[in-house]
This record gives sequence, structure tokens and C-alpha cells, in this order.
Amino acid sequence: GNSVTQMEGPVTLSEEAFLTINCTYTATGYPSLFWYVQYPGEGLQLLLKATKADDKGSNKGFEATYRKETTSFHLEKGSVQVSDSAVYFCALNAGGTSYGKLTFGQGTILTVHP
Amino acid sequence: GAVVSQHPSRVICKSGTSVKIECRSLDFQATTMFWYRQFPKQSLMLMATSNEGSKATYEQGVEKDKFLINHASLTLSTLTVTSAHPEDSSFYICSVGSLRLFQETQYFGPGTRLLVL
Repeated sequence: GNSVTQMEGPVTLSEEAFLTINCTYTATGYPSLFWYVQYPGEGLQLLLKATKADDKGSNKGFEATYRKETTSFHLEKGSVQVSDSAVYFCALNAGGTSYGKLTFGQGTILTVHP
Repeated sequence: GAVVSQHPSRVICKSGTSVKIECRSLDFQATTMFWYRQFPKQSLMLMATSNEGSKATYEQGVEKDKFLINHASLTLSTLTVTSAHPEDSSFYICSVGSLRLFQETQYFGPGTRLLVL
């Protein structure tokens, strides 16, 4: 079946530090990959996505590259801010008969201190 | 993106009672809505997919008679937890998608915290 594994948190960083949150996946076929972010008290928001191998998704300074050879979609940001503190979810859509259904990783809590 | 609301945001009920949770798409017509359940410090688990005007499709292991889903209009889906028990306590999240949007992109509600005593 399909699955997503994220690095365990929580992750605590100082402002302007470099961020990496690892995500690997298992899926049949050619899934689309996503990062969602959940700020305190809010619903999940799409942060970025990539739909095919070697695609790079980017938004708000965050980037992730779809690596089919390593089945990974690691999230990176060069300089985090306090406002980036949130829970980050990696997810995939396997397509085919599962089109529209998302499989989520367990989420990684990020806390950024001033 | 779409704006999705859920009501109530938090509910406490006694064991054996039924609880209804509403999910509304405020600014576009949602042909498909998804219901998820999230346990503390765990991932979101898809419970069911509902398409407007038809029966919901439940994921394996989800009791359709316990978690009743109604998607009677393009802007409203409801999840009713029937005869709730303490093990049903969880965070329930809905999301919406539309055939007019790129359906892989889902827009999520803020969630409903259910506590069954």
C-alpha cells in the first residue's frame, strides 16, 4: 500500500537557521507529492507540491524536490522565521483509482525561537 | 484557495449520544468532500469520500453505520457520529475538492475536536 514517513519531531531551531524535514514515501505508480502546513488553531494549507520526478515545488521560501530514485520529497528552507512555527505534513496522491485521496505522514512539529 | 469552515470547533458529549459535525465550502461548489480523523501526535487518516448527491465511499475499517456522511449540496457535508463512545474521541477534519479545480489540491477545514465522556 501507499505510505509516507516523515522525520520525527519536534524540531526546534533558532531564527535564520536552515531547515530540513525529511520525507520518504512508498507508492505504486507515479504519485504526486505535497507538503501541507498547519498553523496553530488553523486548518491544513497546501504549502507546495510536485507532480512528477525531478519537479521542484516552492513557496514562501520553502522548497522540495521530487526524487524518484530515493523516493523522497524533503522540505527545506534556507532561513526560518518565528512565523514558520507550525506542523508540517508530507503527503502523496497515488492517482489511478485513488485519485483525490491523500496519504499523510505523521507530521513534524517545528518551533522557531527568536 | 477555497475557504472551508467546520462547526462546531469543539464538542463534548456523553457516551451513547450522537454528534453532528458540519463542513461548509464557503466560496465554491465542492463536488467532493473528504473526512479525516486525526489522533494526538498521529497522522490524518482518511475515513470516507463523499460526492454530492451520492453515497459516501468509506475506507476499509471505517463503520459506515457509525459514521454517517451526508453530502446533500455542493456547499455542505455532515458527519454524524452515532452512539458515540470514548474511543471515538478525536480530531475530525474535512476537506473539499472540486472537479473544476485541480482535484489533487484539497482545501481543509479547521477541524472539530470531539470528546466523548
